[in-house]
Amino acid sequence: GAGVSQSPRYKVAKRGQDVALRCDPISGHVSLFWYQQALGQGPEFLTYFQNEAQLDKSGLPSDRFFAERPEGSVSTLKIQRTQQEDSAVYLCASSLAAGRSSYNEQFFGPGTRLTVL
Amino acid sequence: AQKITQTQPGMFVQEKEAVTLDCTYDTSDPSYGLFWYKQPSSGEMIFLIYQGSYDQQNATEGRYSLNFQKARKSANLVISASQLGDSAMYFCAMRGTNTGFQKLVFGTGTRLLVSP
Repeated sequence: GAGVSQSPRYKVAKRGQDVALRCDPISGHVSLFWYQQALGQGPEFLTYFQNEAQLDKSGLPSDRFFAERPEGSVSTLKIQRTQQEDSAVYLCASSLAAGRSSYNEQFFGPGTRLTVL
Repeated sequence: AQKITQTQPGMFVQEKEAVTLDCTYDTSDPSYGLFWYKQPSSGEMIFLIYQGSYDQQNATEGRYSLNFQKARKSANLVISASQLGDSAMYFCAMRGTNTGFQKLVFGTGTRLLVSP
């Protein structure tokens, strides 16, 4: 398909383990976003890339969270020394444009459900 | 700061009836956009409809319409002729000048259940 894909779909980690979550955006999309969705809540912004540049990482909850997009396409969200409070669905979204337009649709992937035991 | 409030945790509607999902927002941005997304049990966020703060007319997309009342800072979603497949979580979101028109701020969502 031509949509945003994420892998793995489900990840179970023991507390203290490192995890890496992958996002494949729609080909040609300039902007890429990561959101965290806790159970029963709406998604919350984590970080934003424009091509390979990470322009906003204000939503990353701690220095254990790290994201990269080295070639401006695939992105990886890494969580070091996972804690139980990191359990959530991690959503990736991409959008075509990078300009300042109030209509700039973000296409979301299916998410990765992370459970930390 | 931007904030979205959805006060209805759950809504029930019978098939073929219309339903309104409430959304109020708070922002100091001079220009902003309002979005509604549907999230079925599969987890993917599906874009439904968009309203710009300077749009003169309410947005419509098929069975979806957005009742935008700027002075009240409300952007309610109206779904006409509900279908069983409309059962899902619905999120209101916004994006504005202060966030560079990039990151979306979401509400807590409303779970809609459509019964036969």
